[in-house]
Amino acid sequence: GNSVTQMEGPVTLSEEAFLTINCTYTATGYPSLFWYVQYPGEGLQLLLKATKADDKGSNKGFEATYRKETTSFHLEKGSVQVSDSAVYFCALRANAGGTSYGKLTFGQGTILTVHP
Amino acid sequence: DVKVTQSSRYLVKRTGEKVFLECVQDMDHENMFWYRQDPGLGLRLIYFSYDVKMKEKGDIPEGYSVSREKKERFSLILESASTNQTSMYLCASRVQGRLNTEAFFGQGTRLTVV
Repeated sequence: GNSVTQMEGPVTLSEEAFLTINCTYTATGYPSLFWYVQYPGEGLQLLLKATKADDKGSNKGFEATYRKETTSFHLEKGSVQVSDSAVYFCALRANAGGTSYGKLTFGQGTILTVHP
Repeated sequence: DVKVTQSSRYLVKRTGEKVFLECVQDMDHENMFWYRQDPGLGLRLIYFSYDVKMKEKGDIPEGYSVSREKKERFSLILESASTNQTSMYLCASRVQGRLNTEAFFGQGTRLTVV
C-alpha cells in the first residue's frame, strides 16, 4: 500500500536558520505530493504541491521538489521565521486512472519550533 | 472564501455515549473525508464519501460510522465512545474529478472520552 515517512521531530531552529524536513514515500504509479501545515489551534492548510516528477512546488519561501528516482519530496526554506512554527505534514494522493476520490495518505507530522 | 466548518472545537463525552461530530462545507464539493490525528501517527482516514448517501471505509473505520444525507454535510458517529477514541478529528472536502485539486480542512474537533 501507499505510505509516507517523515523525519522525526521535533525540530528546533533559531530565526533565519535553514530548514529541511525530509519526506520519502512508497506508492504505485505516479502520485501527487503535498505539504500541509497546521498552525497552533487550526486545521490543515495546503502549503505546496507537485504533481509529476521533477516538479517544484513553492509557497511562502518554502520549496519541495518531486524526486521520483529517490521517492522523496523534502521541504526546504532558506530562512525560517518565528511565525513558521507549526506542524508540517507530507502527504501523497495516488492518482488512479479516471475519477479520483482524492484520498490522502499522510506522514506522521514534524513539529517545527523557531526561536527568536 | 472556502469554508469547512466543524460544529465543535472541543468535546468531552463519557464512555459508552453515542457521539456525533458534524462537518459542513459550502463549496458544493462531492468528496468529504473524516480523519483522526494522533501524535506520532499523523492523520489516518476513517471514512470518506464521494457523493450523497455514498460512503466507503478508510484505514481505521472500526468503532465509527458516517452519514451523508445532504451534499454539504458529513457526520461522523461514534456508536459507543471509548477512551481510545480520544483524539483530534479533522474533516475535509474536495471537488471530485480533478486529480490535483487540494483538500480543504476544517479546524478540527478535539474529543476527550472519559
